[in-house]
Amino acid sequence: DIQMTQSPSSLSASVGDRVTITCRASQAITIYLAWFQQKPGKAPKSLIYAASSLQSGVPSRFSGSGSGTDFSLTISSLQPEDFATYYCQQYISYPITFGQGTRLEI
Amino acid sequence: QVQLVESGGGVVQPGRSLRLSCAASGFTFSGYGMHWVRQAPGKGLEWVAVISYDGSNKYYADSVKGRFTTSRDNFKNTLYLQMDSLRAEDTAVYYCAKVRGHSYVDPDYWGQGTLVTVSS
Repeated sequence: DIQMTQSPSSLSASVGDRVTITCRASQAITIYLAWFQQKPGKAPKSLIYAASSLQSGVPSRFSGSGSGTDFSLTISSLQPEDFATYYCQQYISYPITFGQGTRLEI
Repeated sequence: QVQLVESGGGVVQPGRSLRLSCAASGFTFSGYGMHWVRQAPGKGLEWVAVISYDGSNKYYADSVKGRFTTSRDNFKNTLYLQMDSLRAEDTAVYYCAKVRGHSYVDPDYWGQGTLVTVSS
């Protein structure tokens, strides 16, 4: 199984900050990586797919990059509604696996 | 718009069975694969299973293989997860999610989830 490791596990930031979350795969996954946002008590929401493609309706302050084994999610200017938990996911092979999550808090 | 509504969760004793349903609308259900993903209380996301658009291909996580079965009824626009021999560690919110497309199989839309509690 492909292991996905996110860092950091938690992150404190302020409105207006630029933040980056990284995700590393235990083997190459080309660009088959997605990012999700989850708020407490809510379902996950797709942000990024194919490593850098923005899901329809997602604000442009979110961006993704990387290929192979190293990926990142960047929020260019944090807004109050961005404080949530973020997960990466590989889908090049089954079983699909998620990172452990990064909690972004004030 | 895409809407996915899970149902069938509840409290069940260890060793018993439960069937979850996911009613889909707002897209051509028969044209897309579907995922099940779960989340134990206070934990991260765990992929459970996927079924192809026509039900001919299915993959499962090792943790549920042989105990869980996913199926679909394309006439009723409904996805199912039959869960047998339930264990305490199966306690979680279960989400159904739509596969993005044939090139990318990541989930693009998710239901609100249904809680399954396995306890005596």
